[in-house]
Amino acid sequence: DGGITQSPKYLFRKEGQNVTLSCEQNLNHDAMYWYRQDPGQGLRLIYYSQIVNDFQKGDIAEGYSVSREKKESFPLTVTSAQKNPTAFYLCASSRLATRTGELFFGEGSRLTVL
Amino acid sequence: QKEVEQNSGPLSVPEGAIASLNCTYSDRGSQSFFWYRQYSGKSPELIMFIYSNGDKEDGRFTAQLNKASQYVSLLIRDSQPSDSATYLCAVNMYGGTSYGKLTFGQGTILTVHP
Repeated sequence: DGGITQSPKYLFRKEGQNVTLSCEQNLNHDAMYWYRQDPGQGLRLIYYSQIVNDFQKGDIAEGYSVSREKKESFPLTVTSAQKNPTAFYLCASSRLATRTGELFFGEGSRLTVL
Repeated sequence: QKEVEQNSGPLSVPEGAIASLNCTYSDRGSQSFFWYRQYSGKSPELIMFIYSNGDKEDGRFTAQLNKASQYVSLLIRDSQPSDSATYLCAVNMYGGTSYGKLTFGQGTILTVHP
């Protein structure tokens, strides 16, 4: 089945540690995105990528880093510079040449800083 | 700051009633508007999109767009308990091919009670 796989689903981190969230898609989509969701809030864009080896900052990129070495993969690293990393992280993908705005989401990764 | 605001919830309606969800946006140049449904602990899923002023109907759902008033709404007719979820309004404020770069509202929690 086609879809987006995020791992791990739950992750605990000590302060000062970097962690990497995995995102893999087999939908053959060009564009991939990372969104963050805090309780009672909407989604905020962290980074996005429309093509391999290229990515752009979203609205809240500080303290995060990404790479896009393969079309299928878009991992997100939450660095120790991120002041408040506890959140629900959602990876998404979409076709570029579509106006429907349909984002296909993974199941999310819930990060808790201890 | 480009913003999307949704009416504060939670919204509670009886089964069979019409649920009305509202959203305003700040960028007058926005072109594409979306409603996503998110069940608790799950990822969002697209239920409606609209580009043109007026109404767009899909089954029990109707999206309404008024660009002059910078207002978009979602009506759910014959509400069912399975409609209980958080509804996220999302707007593409970037245009071009950045279709997945959406600005989300904070969400409205809808509860449909039997």
